[in-house]
Amino acid sequence: AQKITQTQPGMFVQEKEAVTLDCTYDTSDPSYGLFWYKQPSSGEMIFLIYQGSYDQQNATEGRYSLNFQKARKSANLVISASQLGDSAMYFCAMREGYSGAGSYQLTFGKGTKLSVIP
Amino acid sequence: DAGITQSPRHKVTETGTPVTLRCHQTENHRYMYWYRQDPGHGLRLIHYSYGVKDTDKGEVSDGYSVSRSKTEDFLLTLESATSSQTSVYFCAISEGLAGGPDTGELFFGEGSRLTVL
Repeated sequence: AQKITQTQPGMFVQEKEAVTLDCTYDTSDPSYGLFWYKQPSSGEMIFLIYQGSYDQQNATEGRYSLNFQKARKSANLVISASQLGDSAMYFCAMREGYSGAGSYQLTFGKGTKLSVIP
Repeated sequence: DAGITQSPRHKVTETGTPVTLRCHQTENHRYMYWYRQDPGHGLRLIHYSYGVKDTDKGEVSDGYSVSRSKTEDFLLTLESATSSQTSVYFCAISEGLAGGPDTGELFFGEGSRLTVL
């Protein structure tokens, strides 16, 4: 079974609108971290936001927020007021545990390609 | 921006030849990683290092070896390249464990595109 599932291969959003990118995860470890990365067409990986499994509040970073629903094992990224520069691939990733082999590794989803329409 | 340099950035080689990719960091971070990115697979961990001469395998380590003789350098070697190793390779570093109690944010290099003919 996939540990990180991103069900939307591609999405379109109108400029200035909000968009939600879906991510579900699978782990039995009570301690884990969830990440979102952005990869523009230029290829670099840009860290956006992080949510720890014990964090009580949803993470926010500027226009990015993470809708963390622990019981549903979902960690959706919400981008408010989309801009043309938001067009990119977006990857959800998870780290399991704080020790042992799993803690060294981020497991990535397959990504969602977001296109912002002017 | 984190000081991570990958070399070469682009390489075309033939099946059966050895290839070494280099990752150099100026951040003095303890942890270094090699990932490969392929369409439909996201990024997958090949090997990682948690200190000088301390390395371990990731999810897709077959056909790859690594070495870390200095804090700043992490080398990925394909002893005998195959067409299935055509990919974009990313080096990453982190100060703490990836996703540790602090964010453990990974900083990525710009990637190295390898084509094996």
